[in-house]
Amino acid sequence: DIQLTQSPSFLSASVGDRVTITCRASQGISSRLAWYQQKSGKAPKLLIYAASTLQSGVPSRFSGSGSGTEFTLTLSSLQPEDFATYYCQQLNNSPFTFGPGTRVDIK
Amino acid sequence: QVHLVESGGGVVQPGGSLRLSCAPSGFSFSDYAMHWVRQAPGKGLEWVALITYDGTYEYYADSVKGRFTISRDNSKNMLYLEMNSLRAEDTAVYYCAKERTGYYIENWGQGTLVTVAS
Repeated sequence: DIQLTQSPSFLSASVGDRVTITCRASQGISSRLAWYQQKSGKAPKLLIYAASTLQSGVPSRFSGSGSGTEFTLTLSSLQPEDFATYYCQQLNNSPFTFGPGTRVDIK
Repeated sequence: QVHLVESGGGVVQPGGSLRLSCAPSGFSFSDYAMHWVRQAPGKGLEWVALITYDGTYEYYADSVKGRFTISRDNSKNMLYLEMNSLRAEDTAVYYCAKERTGYYIENWGQGTLVTVAS
């Protein structure tokens, strides 16, 4: 099975900051990676799919990159509504595992 | 507008069974693969199962393989998750989810809580 790790697991940032979250896969997954945002008590929301394609309706301050085993999610300028937990998920091989999550809090 | 409504959650004793249902609307159900994803209280997301658009293929997490069965009835527009031999560690909110293409999860239901406890 493919394992995903995320770093950091927690980060504290200010509005306007540039934030980068990394997701690493235990083996190559091509570009078969998605990023989701989850706010407390809510269902997750798709942000990025195929590693770098922005989902319709998602603000352009979100971007994704990477392929193979290393991927990044970047928020170019953190907004108050971006404080949430972010998960990566690989869709290359079953089981379609999620990363453990990165919680983004207000500094 | 895509809408996914889960039902069937509740409290069940260890070793018991439960059947979750998901009623989709707002899209052509038979054209899309569907997932079940769960989240234990205060924990991260755990992918549970996927069924292809026509029901030909099913995929499972190792933690539920042999105990859970995902199924769909395209004639009735319904998705199911049959859960047997339930354990305390199966306690979670279970989400029904629709792919966009390529199995990426585009839409999620509101979730239904399953509690396994004596």
